[in-house]
Amino acid sequence: NAGVTQTPKFRVLKTGQSMTLLCAQDMNHEYMYWYRQDPGMGLRLIHYSVGEGTTAKGEVPDGYNVSRLKKQNFLLGLESAAPSQTSVYFCAVGDSNQPQHFGDGTRLSIL
Amino acid sequence: RKEVEQDPGPFNVPEGATVAFNCTYSNSASQSFFWYRQDCRKEPKLLMSVYSSGNEDGRFTAQLNRASQYISLLIRDSKLSDSATYLCVDMEYGNKLVFGAGTILRVKS
Repeated sequence: NAGVTQTPKFRVLKTGQSMTLLCAQDMNHEYMYWYRQDPGMGLRLIHYSVGEGTTAKGEVPDGYNVSRLKKQNFLLGLESAAPSQTSVYFCAVGDSNQPQHFGDGTRLSIL
Repeated sequence: RKEVEQDPGPFNVPEGATVAFNCTYSNSASQSFFWYRQDCRKEPKLLMSVYSSGNEDGRFTAQLNRASQYISLLIRDSKLSDSATYLCVDMEYGNKLVFGAGTILRVKS
């Protein structure tokens, strides 16, 4: 998916471990988002950023932290992973009143 | 009540059929709506925006009914490659997307 790159693509963690997911864009969009997708529930917004140095909480922010130190990167951190955080995580980018474009996802399993 | 509701399906249709999905939204102030398509184990991809006057893109037609707060997607002459999950999306406050859980379409030969 040209323009929005997520790393890693897959990861397995043990309960209590921490990790950081990276989203990088080369599309120069102001807004960046982190979603999680679980079966039957659709995508839910975790955190988002409307510009470099800014972050805001979405619908399901608990257990996650984010940072946007550079415009092109948006990091999602899991401080102490829990099995309930097993999910597929998608990063998206966009601008005001425009549709978003998604990265190809990170599959995360917490044992 | 969910903010964006869709019939999860699945809709099983033969090739060449016409199929329609509806979606209801709860935020009467919402201004922008989209349909995304998501293939199995892939990321959502924008299919089309939904305009107040209705809009068409090839075999796909989107309609918005603000009075009843629903949007629809019509697919004509279904192809096998149309098999996917279709996500109804409401844009709130110009920068946050609210997704429905999706409608599964299976087109069979």
